[in-house]
Amino acid sequence: GENVEQHPSTLSVQEGDSAVIKCTYSDSASNYFPWYKQELGKRPQLIIDIRSNVGEKKDQRIAVTLNKTAKHFSLHITETQPEDSAVYFCAAKVPGGGADGLTFGKGTHLIIQP
Amino acid sequence: KAGVTQTPRYLIKTRGQQVTLSCSPISGHRSVSWYQQTPGQGLQFLFEYFSETQRNKGNFPGRFSGRQFSNSRSEMNVSTLELGDSALYLCASNKVAGSYEQYFGPGTRLTVT
Repeated sequence: GENVEQHPSTLSVQEGDSAVIKCTYSDSASNYFPWYKQELGKRPQLIIDIRSNVGEKKDQRIAVTLNKTAKHFSLHITETQPEDSAVYFCAAKVPGGGADGLTFGKGTHLIIQP
Repeated sequence: KAGVTQTPRYLIKTRGQQVTLSCSPISGHRSVSWYQQTPGQGLQFLFEYFSETQRNKGNFPGRFSGRQFSNSRSEMNVSTLELGDSALYLCASNKVAGSYEQYFGPGTRLTVT
């Protein structure tokens, strides 16, 4: 089945700097790559996603890039703010049969230092 | 539009007991997926239901089961609870089975003692 690796597990950046979180996946059939943000004690929230026919997608301070050849995708957050502090999860989805749910990375705890 | 809701929010059970968790999807969403979240294993897919049928199942033992009703509400059952079943159980809904965007409920925190 699909396997998703996520790095780093913890990332500390100064407020205003950029943060980058990277994920790799194993199944070349995966075609959907969402990112979720989970604040302490809250539900995961979908913040951005990308499909395999697109290389990059941007939404204000957040962007995601996808390299299908290398099977990796990354989340970029610019001009980080205190409210960006949370755990971020990447995921990949293989269409079709089998376990058709999302396969998640282990998460990155992003800490924004004031 | 109301989001995904889950009940109860917290549960404490004893080893060997069974438990039933409930999930109501976003209005108009017909597919419900369940995930288990633990510090060690992260978020793991349990199963997906659409039109009252289980479409897919993750790598969990048969003690984990579920069902979906005609109004798209779903329940998840865990029998013969083990300490390792302590986790946050999240359900997510999407409009149709196998579609992409999934929206999570707040979860049920299950503690097994």
